[in-house]
Amino acid sequence: EAGVAQSPRYKIIEKRQSVAFWCNPISGHATLYWYQQILGQGPKLLIQFQNNGVVDDSQLPKDRFSAERLKGVDSTLKIQPAKLEDSAVYLCASSLGAALEAFFGQGTRLTVV
Amino acid sequence: SQQGEEDPQALSIQEGENATMNCSYKTSINNLQWYRQNSGRGLVHLILIRSNEREKHSGRLRVTLDTSKKSSSLLITASRAADTASYFCATLNAGKSTFGDGTTLTVKP
Repeated sequence: EAGVAQSPRYKIIEKRQSVAFWCNPISGHATLYWYQQILGQGPKLLIQFQNNGVVDDSQLPKDRFSAERLKGVDSTLKIQPAKLEDSAVYLCASSLGAALEAFFGQGTRLTVV
Repeated sequence: SQQGEEDPQALSIQEGENATMNCSYKTSINNLQWYRQNSGRGLVHLILIRSNEREKHSGRLRVTLDTSKKSSSLLITASRAADTASYFCATLNAGKSTFGDGTTLTVKP
């Protein structure tokens, strides 16, 4: 079974630029998550989708971050404009349901300079 | 703030020894999960324990859950160098998962 695919793996941008990350979850997984993981910390949930609807986006900085899940499958996460403190690994995960084990992608390491 | 907090923050042991990591949380949960993360990689699910379960085993892993103390422990027996990684607990409550900041385990050959 193919895992969660994320791209790009690495991205370096200047502050105030915009950036987008892409995630392709495991086929058939209804729940999709985006996490932000700052070095030395655990993943922090940014947004959780159930199919193409948002279940939780309480920790998403909505003034600069946006996410969508097209047709309940692929998802994109965008940051515009980026700040230095956005430097982190952005992890996408998917699961069959919210109460079940999540499968993680390799993540995108973002460096904002 | 994080729901789950792992203890210790870092643990260093010799190969063959057992490693125990603890997770404490603040509110009621539906289940608790443990994940492993190797350096620079994504997280890998290890084990899920439901709120009505007290202990679960998977290979060399043993997880306990004490809901009265709001705590869980992960025991890795007969550790190997390949077990070197960060270990995170994640609590699920009302459909939302919250991760702690992890325990970094180093197993020396």
